[in-house]
Amino acid sequence: AIQLTQSPSSLSASVGDRVTITCRASQGISSALAWYQQKPGRAPKFLIYDASSLESGVPSRFSGSGSGTDFTLTISSLQPEDFATYYCQQFNSYPITFGQGTRLEIK
Amino acid sequence: QVQLVESGGGVVQPGGSLRLSCAASGFTFSSYGMHWVRQAPGKGLEWVAFIRYDGTNKYYADSVKGRFTISRDNSKNTLFLQMNSLRAEDTAVYYCAKDRLYSSGMVHYWGQGTLVTVSS
Repeated sequence: AIQLTQSPSSLSASVGDRVTITCRASQGISSALAWYQQKPGRAPKFLIYDASSLESGVPSRFSGSGSGTDFTLTISSLQPEDFATYYCQQFNSYPITFGQGTRLEIK
Repeated sequence: QVQLVESGGGVVQPGGSLRLSCAASGFTFSSYGMHWVRQAPGKGLEWVAFIRYDGTNKYYADSVKGRFTISRDNSKNTLFLQMNSLRAEDTAVYYCAKDRLYSSGMVHYWGQGTLVTVSS
């Protein structure tokens, strides 16, 4: 199975900061990567697909990039509602796998 | 709008069985692949199983292969997960989720989840 490693595992930042989360795949997955946001007690929310395509309704401060094995999720200017846990997911091949998550906390 | 409502969770003893259901509405259920994804308490997301829109292809995580069976009834807009030989490590919130396409692997919309607790 393809392993996804996210870094950092947790991150403290302030409103207005620019933050970047990375996701590294154990083998090449082309652009078959998605990003999700999860808030406590809630189901995950689909944010980005095909590594860099923004899901409809997701604010433009979110962006994704990368291909092959290295990917990033960037939030250009953190808003209070962005503090959550973020997961990457590969859909290049089954079994589908998720990264371990990055918890984004308020500094 | 898309609605996915899971049911069937509860407490079960190790070695027992449970069947989860997911009632879908707000989209053409028979045109989309469907997933089950779980999350153990305080842990990350773990993909469990996928079934193609027409039921012809099914995929499983290694951790549940041979114990869990995903199925669907397109006439009733319902997804199922039959879970046998349950173990303590299967304790989790189980989410039903809709694929972005008929078989893309992208987990697009999620239900609110149902809690399964495996304990004696």
